[in-house]
Amino acid sequence: AQTVTQSQPEMSVQEAETVTLSCTYDTSESDYYLFWYKQPPSRQMILVIRQEAYKQQNATENRFSVNFQKAAKSFSLKISDSQLGDAAMYFCAYRSALGANNLFFGTGTRLTVIP
Amino acid sequence: EPEVTQTPSHQVTQMGQEVILRCVPISNHLYFYWYRQILGQKVEFLVSFYNNEISEKSEIFDDQFSVERPDGSNFTLKIRSTKLEDSAMYFCASSKNTEAFFGQGTRLTVV
Repeated sequence: AQTVTQSQPEMSVQEAETVTLSCTYDTSESDYYLFWYKQPPSRQMILVIRQEAYKQQNATENRFSVNFQKAAKSFSLKISDSQLGDAAMYFCAYRSALGANNLFFGTGTRLTVIP
Repeated sequence: EPEVTQTPSHQVTQMGQEVILRCVPISNHLYFYWYRQILGQKVEFLVSFYNNEISEKSEIFDDQFSVERPDGSNFTLKIRSTKLEDSAMYFCASSKNTEAFFGQGTRLTVV
């Protein structure tokens, strides 16, 4: 099974500053999808951003962007101009593009935003 | 905006009892999933459902678990005889293509 590793259990960032959350994964597949989900205190899982492995261009959604390094199997999330509402658990997830379409999640990074 | 809805938001049950967790996926989605998150741990895949049958399941999804789509809208997870270690948040999700959309979860507490 694919494994997803988030090596930072906790991170903090000053409001308006930039923070980068790390994620690495292990797979033998060449085609897959990667996601970042946000889980605020309400516990709902909210999709932040996704990346298709066949695309070289890094995905961007407003203040959220990724640095996708396929050879290194690395998929980090950059949050620019951090806001108080960004405080949450962030989960990196992997999904195969073939066959099984369930998600494999990392253990999460708790992000604190300091006013 | 369409969303996945789950009921109840919180369920307390006695060990050994059966529980049914309910989900209404987004209406034009074809794939349905259940995930579990034990407190403080990562989200784990339980089962996926497509075309009225299970398409994938994890080793967690043993004979105590079952899923059903009893009508055109609901998708249920049944735990036949709950154990203390079944206490967790249970998330339903649905997808049409690539992206899975999650419900707000049901917190199951087994006492």
